[in-house]
Amino acid sequence: QVQLEESGPGLVKPSQTLSLTCTVSGGPVDTDNYFLNWVRQPAGQGLEWIGRIDASGKTTYTPSLKSRVTISLDTSRNQFSLKINSVSAADAAVYYCARERIHEIMTGYLPYHALDVWGQGTTVTVSS
Amino acid sequence: DIQMTQSPPSLSASVGDRVTLTCRASRSISNYVNWYQQKPGQAPKLLMYGASNLEKGVPSRFSGGGSGTDFTLTISSLQPEDFATYYCRHTYIAPPFTFGQGTKLEIK
Repeated sequence: QVQLEESGPGLVKPSQTLSLTCTVSGGPVDTDNYFLNWVRQPAGQGLEWIGRIDASGKTTYTPSLKSRVTISLDTSRNQFSLKINSVSAADAAVYYCARERIHEIMTGYLPYHALDVWGQGTTVTVSS
Repeated sequence: DIQMTQSPPSLSASVGDRVTLTCRASRSISNYVNWYQQKPGQAPKLLMYGASNLEKGVPSRFSGGGSGTDFTLTISSLQPEDFATYYCRHTYIAPPFTFGQGTKLEIK
């Protein structure tokens, strides 16, 4: 059974870089037919998708954060990471890593995607 | 980008009630919608994928429907553990796969 766990500093100073790691257990991090995602949730607000990486290392980011975000894969440690540059108070949130399952339906149809395994989340505060 | 709008933002109901939550997409997305349940202090949990496919281990009192732009999540008989916030999210064609803003289901 695959499990995910986020780790990293809980406090980041404004203008600095937020760095988080998600450790995958129970399976390899670079499995085909899965993407690895980061999602965040500011206090009292909804969920915001940040970006994802596939087994080959190809990344996709949400447009509003694309210029500041990097997601990377470390297969030797079975981890993937998130970096957000130049943080401000607006980046304070609970950050989740999540596995995205690809469920093939039939030829000619788009597969179903779903975030089926989540970490417990880690809180990041931005303050000097 | 496709926007997802959930209604109502909050809903009060009693144990045993049948409730239906709604999610509307800004354009047609076939049946590429997922539903998630989130309880306070916890990560979201996948309930439904492909609009009407129940995730393994999720109680059968949950059901989903819809196609095109309008989608529903129905709980046939509310249980105490169902009081939570529910989010829809589209997965149509390519990212960004956006979430709705959520519906908070509260005890009446």
